[in-house]
Amino acid sequence: GQQLNQSPQSMFIQEGEDVSMNCTSSSIFNTWLWYKQEPGEGPVLLIALYKAGELTSNGRLTAQFGITRKDSFLNISASIPSDVGIYFCAGQRPLYGGSQGNLIFGKGTKLSVKP
Amino acid sequence: SAVISQKPSRDICQRGTSLTIQCQVDSQVTMMFWYRQQPGQSLTLIATANQGSEATYESGFVIDKFPISRPNLTFSTLTVSNMSPEDSSIYLCSVGGYDSGNTIYFGEGSWLTVV
Repeated sequence: GQQLNQSPQSMFIQEGEDVSMNCTSSSIFNTWLWYKQEPGEGPVLLIALYKAGELTSNGRLTAQFGITRKDSFLNISASIPSDVGIYFCAGQRPLYGGSQGNLIFGKGTKLSVKP
Repeated sequence: SAVISQKPSRDICQRGTSLTIQCQVDSQVTMMFWYRQQPGQSLTLIATANQGSEATYESGFVIDKFPISRPNLTFSTLTVSNMSPEDSSIYLCSVGGYDSGNTIYFGEGSWLTVV
């Protein structure tokens, strides 16, 4: 089945530093999503990407949908302590053909920020 | 985005018992999904809850173990049957569809511990 490779698995950074994480897939997705999960909570959607090559920002977060449709990256600029959490990439399967648009998740990137 | 409420939020269950988790959405949605997140792991799709018909299960998940209902476009239940400690996980309801821009949102999750 489809799998997503997300890296790095974890990051320990100093407050103020920039962060970059990425996901690659063996197959094409039509939509890439990035989520953040904090302890005790469900995943919260950060950015959704719908078009190959698309570059989208949400505050200090920037994400891009790769041209090949098999990869995506997420950048966080000027990190702050509240950025701590686990970041997941997800590829959305097509809405047709029985998959009904469900998501395949990467294994997550655990981010720790040192004040 | 849709507001998704899950009950119970947490529970400690005895081995061999069954527990039903409810998912209520504040608006009609086309797609509802159930995911499992085992401790320290990523999210894995259990099944797609289809309104008015049997759920579509992913490989490795069966209806006898995880019966699902979806009586209307705003509500679904997932039952975890004959629980064992291996079923200790977070169970997450998620929704998406044309009415939410094809983007998938998650509830807060139901944290089950089986003892």
